[in-house]
Amino acid sequence: AQKVTQAQTEISVVEKEDVTLDCVYETRDTTYYLFWYKQPPSGELVFLIRRNSFDEQNEISGRYSWNFQKSTSSFNFTITASQVVDSAVYFCALSEVNFGNEKLTFGTGTRLTIIP
Amino acid sequence: DTGVSQDPRHKITKRGQNVTFRCDPISEHNRLYWYRQTLGQGPEFLTYFQNEAQLEKSRLLSDRFSAERPKGSFSTLEIQRTEQGDSAMYLCASSHFPGQTYEQYFGPGTRLTVT
Repeated sequence: AQKVTQAQTEISVVEKEDVTLDCVYETRDTTYYLFWYKQPPSGELVFLIRRNSFDEQNEISGRYSWNFQKSTSSFNFTITASQVVDSAVYFCALSEVNFGNEKLTFGTGTRLTIIP
Repeated sequence: DTGVSQDPRHKITKRGQNVTFRCDPISEHNRLYWYRQTLGQGPEFLTYFQNEAQLEKSRLLSDRFSAERPKGSFSTLEIQRTEQGDSAMYLCASSHFPGQTYEQYFGPGTRLTVT
């Protein structure tokens, strides 16, 4: 069965500091997708990034960057120069697509607080 | 189209009552998913539809839960004889299958409180 672990329950950093959110996953499938979602206080899940299992290139989007390492089954998320608006709960998720069901398995989330 | 919508946003009910939630997906999306999120946890998969066909149900979905998508458009999730343990946020998501991105777009959720 697939599993996603986010060991960091809560993180607080001072504004402008860099912060990395950890994600470790387990799956027996060779084809899968990894996601990060942001959940602000309003509650709606906001898609941030998708990465497929065959693409281990790191990605940067503005202040956000992602490091995918199959060897350690990790998909970590770094925010550079954090801002107060980054305060939210962040979820890592896994989707196994071999049988056509894209259902997402989520981690328990990391609550990030940016202190002004 | 402004995205996935859910109604109501909040529902307070007494134990033993029945409740029904509605989800309207993005119009061109043929897949619709229901998830449940309890406090401090990530969302958990409940069930999903492709068009009007319900293709999979989680073991979390007890006999008191039923979901429909009668015309392959909106979906309803009904909980009969609610229990306090049903208190949670119920999230709906939609996607287009087969697709290039496997991205699911989530609605704002319905927060259920059972007293």
